[in-house]
Amino acid sequence: TQLLEQSPQFLSIQEGENLTVYCNSSSVFSSLQWYRQEPGEGPVLLVTVVTGGEVKKLKRLTFQFGDARKDSSLHITAAQPGDTGLYLCAGGSQGNLIFGKGTKLSVKP
Amino acid sequence: NAGVTQTPKFRILKIGQSMTLQCTQDMNHNYMYWYRQDPGMGLKLIYYSVGAGITDKGEVPNGYNVSRSTTEDFPLRLELAAPSQTSVYFCASRRGTGLVATNEKLFFGSGTQLSVL
Repeated sequence: TQLLEQSPQFLSIQEGENLTVYCNSSSVFSSLQWYRQEPGEGPVLLVTVVTGGEVKKLKRLTFQFGDARKDSSLHITAAQPGDTGLYLCAGGSQGNLIFGKGTKLSVKP
Repeated sequence: NAGVTQTPKFRILKIGQSMTLQCTQDMNHNYMYWYRQDPGMGLKLIYYSVGAGITDKGEVPNGYNVSRSTTEDFPLRLELAAPSQTSVYFCASRRGTGLVATNEKLFFGSGTQLSVL
């Protein structure tokens, strides 16, 4: 069974701080997606990475796919309260997505 | 566009009751999914469909049934509700025409919070 481990599980920081969350697996994935979920809503796609070593930037968010396509990281620079939410990674496998348990981020003003 | 619409938003069931969670999408997507999300447990795939008339089991299908008579609708049926089915249920869809399917964006509904007491 393929698993995606996300760390940390919870993260509470002050506005303006930087942070990194991780998504790790012992399995190789064809692609890796990151979603953000706000309370009472469904997840919303942030990015898809497909090539080992790929780096994508979305404003203050930087996503990296590991060279071996087994892990990924999300770095947020100068976090803002609007970044608060549950961050989920999802790996592509045999036509479907496997989700990690998520990192719950709280950014305090 | 409305995207993916789920009803109801909240529901409380007694043990043994049955109900249908409704899901409809207006994007003409081929693939549709049902997930459940338990606290701290991520999203688990219940059932999915690759097109009208075709459904398949996911990771946690026991206690649920689905049908896909049209492209737009993908209802999830609970026949004999159990406390273990207390969860938040999400329906999702994607176009399903990409060469590498799992690179496509999944569009989620806003969820149904179900409690079985």
